[in-house]
Amino acid sequence: GENVEQHPSTLSVQEGDSAVIKCTYSDSASNYFPWYKQELGKGPQLIIDIRSNVGEKKDQRIAVTLNKTAKHFSLHITETQPEDSAVYFCAASISSGSARQLTFGSGTQLTVLP
Amino acid sequence: SQTIHQWPATLVQPVGSPLSLECTVEGTSNPNLYWYRQAAGRGLQLLFYSVGIGQISSEVPQNLSASRPQDRQFILSSKKLLLSDSGFYLCAWSVSGQALYFGPGTRLTVT
Repeated sequence: GENVEQHPSTLSVQEGDSAVIKCTYSDSASNYFPWYKQELGKGPQLIIDIRSNVGEKKDQRIAVTLNKTAKHFSLHITETQPEDSAVYFCAASISSGSARQLTFGSGTQLTVLP
Repeated sequence: SQTIHQWPATLVQPVGSPLSLECTVEGTSNPNLYWYRQAAGRGLQLLFYSVGIGQISSEVPQNLSASRPQDRQFILSSKKLLLSDSGFYLCAWSVSGQALYFGPGTRLTVT
């Protein structure tokens, strides 16, 4: 099955700096890569996703890049703010019938220092 | 717009007691529904998923079960809770080929 590795497990940055979180996946058939932000005590919130036919996608201060050859994808957050502090999860998916089966990374605790 | 509800938000139950967690989705028809468990703030583990009423697939062997009595209702149950069942339980939904959206979660503590 699919295996997703996420690094780093913790990341601290100064407010205004950029943050980068990286994930690698094992199954070349994976074709969908979402990123989730989870604040303490809440459910994960989808913040951005990318499909395998696209190399990069941006949404305001966040962007995701995908390298299919190397089987890795990254989340980039620019101009970080204290409210960006949360646990971030990457995931990879192979469509299985009509139910999407996501394999998640282990999470990155991002702390933005004021 | 679509909304997903979970209740209760928090639950404290003794070992050996039964469990019933409920999830409902509004604003969509025939969603795929999922139950995940998260331990210690990390590690999202898929427990069950359902592509339709009465259709349940289990991902891991355990003393939990799931049921889908209505199109937009998903229930997680146990006859006898174990200490190891403590965790944060998340319901999620998707429609075919689209993104997965999580509910607010239920914090279960088994004492």
